[in-house]
Amino acid sequence: NAGVMQNPRHLVRRRGQEARLRCSPMKGHSHVYWYRQLPEEGLKFMVYLQKENIIDESGMPKERFSAEFPKEGPSILRIQQVVRGDSAAYFCASSPNRDSPAEQYFGPGTRLTVT
Amino acid sequence: KQEVTQIPAALSVPEGENLVLNCSFTDSAIYNLQWFRQDPGKGLTSLLLIQSSQREQTSGRLNASLDKSSGRSTLYIAASQPGDSATYLCAVRYNAGNMLTFGGGTRLMVKP
Repeated sequence: NAGVMQNPRHLVRRRGQEARLRCSPMKGHSHVYWYRQLPEEGLKFMVYLQKENIIDESGMPKERFSAEFPKEGPSILRIQQVVRGDSAAYFCASSPNRDSPAEQYFGPGTRLTVT
Repeated sequence: KQEVTQIPAALSVPEGENLVLNCSFTDSAIYNLQWFRQDPGKGLTSLLLIQSSQREQTSGRLNASLDKSSGRSTLYIAASQPGDSATYLCAVRYNAGNMLTFGGGTRLMVKP
């Protein structure tokens, strides 16, 4: 049973370009969470999704950021018109459902560098 | 405000020592608490998960305790090894939300 998969592992974008980060949850998991780790800072929650639904996006910046988890395929975190401050490690986690066992399993992360 | 704090931020010990990492949280209404390990430039590895109804969990040389009333959790590492060198993160899931709230981590160095 493969773990949470994220790609790409490293992504370099110039200011103003778009970044697309992908996350495939563990098999059988229907809940996906995105977190961001800025340099020298802790991990911060961004968004929680189930298939075809955004459940909680209270941690998402109001502009330029969006997320989806379609019925088929991976979850996508999209950052439009990237700026240097978006440079960070973006982690995806998944869980089978909210309540049981509630443990979140993390992927290896995508390290975004904006030049 | 629901926050998680980890002390110390960094710790260096000689191999073989038993050590304790501390985590405190501001709101006792938690759903569960997870301890993770993060190696430089890598993802997070879940070490232990403690449900709110539990007092402790053990896995090998690791033991995590939970005291909701005082808002504290400790991660005990027995007979530390150089391979234990990493950043250890404490994360709390509060009842009201779905997300994990992370502490700043403790960077552990075990010297041979």
